[in-house]
Amino acid sequence: NAGVTQTPKFRVLKTGQSMTLLCAQDMNHEYMYWYRQDPGMGLRLIHYSVGEGTTAKGEVPDGYNVSRLKKQNFLLGLESAAPSQTSVYFCASSYSGGGSVLTFGAGSRLTVL
Amino acid sequence: DQQVKQNSPSLSVQEGRISILNCDYTNSMFDYFLWYKKYPAEGPTFLISISSIKDKNEDGRFTVFLNKSAKHLSLHIVPSQPGDSAVYFCAARSYGGSQGNLIFGKGTKLSVKP
Repeated sequence: NAGVTQTPKFRVLKTGQSMTLLCAQDMNHEYMYWYRQDPGMGLRLIHYSVGEGTTAKGEVPDGYNVSRLKKQNFLLGLESAAPSQTSVYFCASSYSGGGSVLTFGAGSRLTVL
Repeated sequence: DQQVKQNSPSLSVQEGRISILNCDYTNSMFDYFLWYKKYPAEGPTFLISISSIKDKNEDGRFTVFLNKSAKHLSLHIVPSQPGDSAVYFCAARSYGGSQGNLIFGKGTKLSVKP
């Protein structure tokens, strides 16, 4: 049982480049989330989805886009990467909202030079 | 302004003793609180939660206490073990909100020394 899988685990980008982080879950969860973790900042919600075909903005959505074309996948895109987007990104999923326990992936470390 | 505050960035405890991790919040609309544990190079994992209608929830060595009047919750680990060494995040949910409204604190790094 893989749970939540994130790819890639590490990536280095130059300013202005684009990339997509992929999150896949095999638990048939309805809700999926993208967080970023920065030193001294805790976990901040970027975007989330309450079901296939839906997305919503979180606390820090600027500079990111997301898509949920399939229930099991949630993609996070950076169209024009900036050094401020250097961070560790975590994907999570939950069976429902309203306090359901989140299952997190192992994280993707992104460095933008 | 931070709605969920973990004012101690780190805590060091001797094995076998009690670890107490604290969390303060400012939003009176929070009605559900969770603690997550995170090891290096891994994602956070759920540890324990408490609803605002309770003041205590216990699960094995882990107990969470909620003081609504003080807007304060704490996680007690008794006895502490070296494997408990990790970063602990406090999180809170607004009443009526979706999971998208889960707010995390900055975390407290716990070190349990043998």
